Amino acid sequence: GENVEQHPSTLSVQEGDSAVIKCTYSDSASNYFPWYKQELGKRPQLIIDIRSNVGEKKDQRIAVTLNKTAKHFSLHITETQPEDSAVYFCAASTHNNDMRFGAGTRLTVKP
Amino acid sequence: EAGVVQSPRYKIIEKKQPVAFWCNPISGHNTLYWYLQNLGQGPELLIRYENEEAVDDSQLPKDRFSAERLKGVDSTLKIQPAELGDSAVYLCASSLEGGDTEAFFGQGTRLTVV
Repeated sequence: GENVEQHPSTLSVQEGDSAVIKCTYSDSASNYFPWYKQELGKRPQLIIDIRSNVGEKKDQRIAVTLNKTAKHFSLHITETQPEDSAVYFCAASTHNNDMRFGAGTRLTVKP
Repeated sequence: EAGVVQSPRYKIIEKKQPVAFWCNPISGHNTLYWYLQNLGQGPELLIRYENEEAVDDSQLPKDRFSAERLKGVDSTLKIQPAELGDSAVYLCASSLEGGDTEAFFGQGTRLTVV
């Protein structure tokens, strides 16, 4: 089955700086790569996703890049704000397979 | 539109007791997941349903865990008997169809086994 690894486990940045979180996956058939944000005590919520037919996707301050050959994808957050502080999870899946998650990255944005 | 609804939100039980969690997915969502989330960890899949069929239950500890999804809508997850190590948050998620569509999560049930 799919195995997703995520790095770093914790990340601390100054407000206004950029943050990058990286994930690798094992199943070359995976074609859907979502990113979820989970605030303390709340449910995970989708912030951006990318499919394997696209190399990059951007939504305001958030972008995701995908390298299918290397089987890794990354989340980029620019101009970070204190409200970006949360745990971020990457995931990988196919239509017929389960959505498997990374272990998470705890992002802290210092004001 | 209501999101994924789970109940109860919190449950405290003594070890060896049974416990059940309930999930009502978003209307029209064929795919339903149960995940287990330990503190500081990512969601770990327990079981995935497509409609009423459990298409992947390979991660479900079948000696004590069971699940069902009657009529392909609501689902229940049961633990009997509970062990101390089962303390975690149990998350239900649903998606339109298949593993490659956005999964919407419920608030989760925080289980504490004492």
